[in-house]
Amino acid sequence: QVQLQESGPGLVKPSQTLSLTCTVSGASISSGNYYWSWIRQPAGKGLEWIGRIYPSGSTTYNPSLKSRVTISGDTSKNQFSLNLNSVTAADTAVYYCTSATHFYGSYYFDYWGQGTLVTVSS
Amino acid sequence: DIQMTQSPSSLSASVGDRVTITCRASQSISTYLNWYQQKPGKAPKLLIYAASSFQSGVPSRFSGSGSGTDFTLTISSLQPEDSATYYCQQSYTTPPTFGPGTKVDIK
Repeated sequence: QVQLQESGPGLVKPSQTLSLTCTVSGASISSGNYYWSWIRQPAGKGLEWIGRIYPSGSTTYNPSLKSRVTISGDTSKNQFSLNLNSVTAADTAVYYCTSATHFYGSYYFDYWGQGTLVTVSS
Repeated sequence: DIQMTQSPSSLSASVGDRVTITCRASQSISTYLNWYQQKPGKAPKLLIYAASSFQSGVPSRFSGSGSGTDFTLTISSLQPEDSATYYCQQSYTTPPTFGPGTKVDIK
């Protein structure tokens, strides 16, 4: 059973950098059949995929956020992290880390962290 | 990006009713369509992947169908614990995109 847990500050000032870490247990971020993604959800709204890191360490980002996002992995701690810079109030959301399992050329988000609320405010 | 739409945006039904939620993609996505259930304050939970494959542990009253641009999620006999918001999500292209959700209430 894969388990994920987000951690990081719940309050970030405008123009600063949002930094979150996801600690993974039950699977290795550097091997296997999983991608590791960040997804966010503003209050009362839908889900937006931010980006992912592959077991190889390569990354793919949502073009809408690509200029501000970095996802990285720490295999020694079995963690992956999200950095989102130059934040504004529009970045206020619950942030989820997830695993995605490959399936015949496709994938699905099967394991999710509990989510962490990040508020951007001065 | 592929745009996903869902209908209805919300519905209210009685326990035991058959409920159908529709998801439409802005272009063909084959069967690269997943369904999730989200309850308030909780993370989404995978129900169906690849349009019609059941995720382990999901009750058999949930089923999915469709291909191309049109998909459906069916709850064959609505239960009180099915009160939630349901999202579809395409994994045909990057970025993966989600529908706006369908909120299901119990009468």
